[in-house]
Amino acid sequence: AQSVAQPEDQVNVAEGNPLTVKCTYSVSGNPYLFWYVQYPNRGLQFLLKYITGDNLVKGSYGFEAEFNKSQTSFHLKKPSALVSDSALYFCAVRDSDSGYSTLTFGKGTMLLVSP
Amino acid sequence: KAGVTQTPRYLIKTRGQQVTLSCSPISGHRSVSWYQQTPGQGLQFLFEYFSETQRNKGNFPGRFSGRQFSNSRSEMNVSTLELGDSALYLCASSLGRQETQYFGPGTRLLVL
Repeated sequence: AQSVAQPEDQVNVAEGNPLTVKCTYSVSGNPYLFWYVQYPNRGLQFLLKYITGDNLVKGSYGFEAEFNKSQTSFHLKKPSALVSDSALYFCAVRDSDSGYSTLTFGKGTMLLVSP
Repeated sequence: KAGVTQTPRYLIKTRGQQVTLSCSPISGHRSVSWYQQTPGQGLQFLFEYFSETQRNKGNFPGRFSGRQFSNSRSEMNVSTLELGDSALYLCASSLGRQETQYFGPGTRLLVL
């Protein structure tokens, strides 16, 4: 079975500082990894994905994520946080080797950026 | 290109009633998945439809059902509503079954 862990319920960072939101995963095959963001009373918005290739993936709004196979991690990063980045962030995984597997989400991490 | 649309956006029902939620995918997208989001359980997969056929189903009781039409629009139905069915129901569409999913704004269901 596949799973995703987001070990932090909440991350607090000051505006202008770098941010990291952590994600680790477990799949039996090769992972497809995704990050989504959810603003209040909204659906999930796609940020970026890792399928194959470069371990550093760049996405929307200045976000990037680093795939680390040995640590089974896919942490989301941004060099300089904005107050408007405050939202709920979800990491998700799909097993690319098990046919048509479903997308499994982590519990989410609330990011709070203070002015 | 218009995004995923879901109707209605908000719904209030009482226990025992049934409800139907609708999802219109992005034009050209053939796969539709449904999720239930609650504060306690997070995002849980309900089902996936592709070419009018249910391809995957999550661990939900038979009261939860769905279908997909030939134009890829999808509906989900919950019968005999329970208080615990109160949640945000999210629909996501993708070009194909393993492609990136794009989400709609959700339908917030409150069961009283």
